[in-house]
Amino acid sequence: GEDVEQSLFLSVREGDSSVINCTYTDSSSTYLYWYKQEPGAGLQLLTYIFSNMDMKQDQRLTVLLNKKDKHLSLRIADTQTGDSAIYFCAEKGDDKIIFGKGTRLHILP
Amino acid sequence: ETGVTQSPTHLIKTRGQQVTLRCSSQSGHNTVSWYQQALGQGPQFIFQYYREEENGRGNFPPRFSGLQFPNYSSELNVNALELDDSALYLCASSLPGLAAPYNEQFFGPGTRLTVL
Repeated sequence: GEDVEQSLFLSVREGDSSVINCTYTDSSSTYLYWYKQEPGAGLQLLTYIFSNMDMKQDQRLTVLLNKKDKHLSLRIADTQTGDSAIYFCAEKGDDKIIFGKGTRLHILP
Repeated sequence: ETGVTQSPTHLIKTRGQQVTLRCSSQSGHNTVSWYQQALGQGPQFIFQYYREEENGRGNFPPRFSGLQFPNYSSELNVNALELDDSALYLCASSLPGLAAPYNEQFFGPGTRLTVL
C-alpha cells in the first residue's frame, strides 16, 4: 500500500541547518514533494524531485532522494524564524498525492 | 491571476446535518482535488474532478460527494455528518497530468468544519 512516514517534531537553532526526513513505500512514485503549511494558510509546494534524480538544490533548500531505501530528506540551510511551519513529505500516486503526517519545525532563538 | 479560494472559512454543524463546501479553482486550472486534514494529520485525498467528472476517489464513504461546474469551480457535499468529520477541508486545483507532469497542486486556505 501507499504510506509516507515522517517524524513529528524538530527543533533547530536559528542560523543552523534543519534536516527533515521521510520514508515512503510506493516505489513506483514518479514525483516526491515537500509542502509547507503555516498557521491559517493552505499548503504551499516548496519543492519537488523526480524519481530518477538523487539531489535537487533550490536556494536554501536541498532535497536528497535515496530510491533504494525509499528515503527522502529536506535540508533547509541557515534556518530563519520564518521557516517555522509544518512540513509535509508527499508522493505522487495515480490520481492523488499521498501526504505524511507532517513535521513541525520549531526555531529556537 | 487569482489563487484558489474556498468558502466558508469556518463552519459549525451538528451530527446528522448536511454541509456544502465551495471552491474556486485558480484561473486556467480544470482539475480540482479535495482533501480532508484532521487535526495533527496530513491531508487525506477524498476525490478529484476533471472536466466535471469524478476522476479518482480515496477511501471515503459515499456520503462524501462532489460536483464540478463548467467554470471549474467545485463543491464538496457531506451528508449525515459524524463527529469524526470535523477537520480542515482543503481544495486544490491543478492542470491535467500531461500539461503539468509534476502535478503541482495549488491549495486554498481551507474550510474548518466542526461537527458537534
